[in-house]
Amino acid sequence: KAGVTQTPRYLIKTRGQQVTLSCSPISGHRSVSWYQQTPGQGLQFLFEYFSETQRNKGNFPGRFSGRQFSNSRSEMNVSTLELGDSALYLCASRDGLAGDTDTQYFGPGTRLTVL
Amino acid sequence: QQPVQSPQAVILREGEDAVINCSSSKALYSVHWYRQKHGEAPVFLMILLKGGEQMRHEKISASFNEKKQQSSLYLTASQLSYSGTYFCGTEEDSGGSNYKLTFGKGTLLTVNP
Repeated sequence: KAGVTQTPRYLIKTRGQQVTLSCSPISGHRSVSWYQQTPGQGLQFLFEYFSETQRNKGNFPGRFSGRQFSNSRSEMNVSTLELGDSALYLCASRDGLAGDTDTQYFGPGTRLTVL
Repeated sequence: QQPVQSPQAVILREGEDAVINCSSSKALYSVHWYRQKHGEAPVFLMILLKGGEQMRHEKISASFNEKKQQSSLYLTASQLSYSGTYFCGTEEDSGGSNYKLTFGKGTLLTVNP
């Protein structure tokens, strides 16, 4: 099976712009989670989507939003970019209904730089 | 709330052992361990469940003490390939899996020849 894929891999934007990141989960996985990774804060949970619905949400401002399509692919959008949004954005997929041992697999990430 | 990992960094010689700890202030349902090499995605190592057994992945094993809300990762006879940053992800106990992981800040492990 192909792994989790994320596009683009690298992105440079300026303050005030908006950005959309894409994630394709492992085939058959219905849950997609998004994380922000920075040297100072580590891996921080943004949100999780399951069957096109947001199931869990972290503590990020409303500028961060996401959605999931019927084929389980997910997009994350950040509006009005700030310098502090520069980070590696990781997407992770899992079955979503496999219960206790549902394993989460990460994609390679999108490196976002805000200038 | 973010779990606390210790130590923040450790340097080993090949063949030496190490222990990485992950502590939470909340009651936990599960603990997930990942390893991330520089420039790569985190790779899943193992899940430990409340009431479950100690787990093993090659020469790496882990335990989960529910009462202490703590998990430990044991790296035995370390190999060069073990180098990377180890993260624990915790799931709070809400009576079952809630599919929401909170990660510690990571432990940087360096194994030298």
